[in-house]
Amino acid sequence: KAGVTQTPRYLIKTRGQQVTLSCSPISGHRSVSWYQQTPGQGLQFLFEYFSETQRNKGNFPGRFSGRQFSNSRSEMNVSTLELGDSALYLCASSLSRNTGELFFGEGSRLTVL
Amino acid sequence: GENVEQHPSTLSVQEGDSAVIKCTYSDSASNYFPWYKQELGKRPQLIIDIRSNVGEKKDQRIAVTLNKTAKHFSLHITETQPEDSAVYFCAAGEGTASKLTFGTGTRLQVTL
Repeated sequence: KAGVTQTPRYLIKTRGQQVTLSCSPISGHRSVSWYQQTPGQGLQFLFEYFSETQRNKGNFPGRFSGRQFSNSRSEMNVSTLELGDSALYLCASSLSRNTGELFFGEGSRLTVL
Repeated sequence: GENVEQHPSTLSVQEGDSAVIKCTYSDSASNYFPWYKQELGKRPQLIIDIRSNVGEKKDQRIAVTLNKTAKHFSLHITETQPEDSAVYFCAAGEGTASKLTFGTGTRLQVTL
């Protein structure tokens, strides 16, 4: 069974641009959540999607948005990029909302210049 | 919102010794406490978790204890091995495991 797949793995953008990151969960997993990982802040929750609906949102500005499709695949978008958005963006999937284990992807490393 | 504090930030032990990492949380509604291990350049992976109706859980060399009254939980690794070297994150969640608040991580180094 394939794991969580994230694309692209690496990308470089400049300030003011926007970026879209993609996540394909493990087959059969319906819950997808996104985390931002930085050296100073650790892993911070961005949002959670289940059945194409955003169920929870973290404390991030409105420039960060996401969506989930009917096949459970998810995308997140960051508009008007700032230098501080440079981070590893991790997607995680789970079978349902209350099952114990989150399976993480390898992440998309975003560098904003 | 929930706040999770994790200590120490770095920990160096000799092979065969025990390692203990401690976390405290602030939201009494949190009832799910997983621990993740992240090796250098790799994705975080769940190593053990505990729910609030249980005080202790063991899995071979790894154990987690939970004190709900004091709002703290700990990871214990016995007989450490070099492959245990990694960053360990504690986390807390309420109801859903999909929205977790993570600690800032502990870098564990096991030396020969």
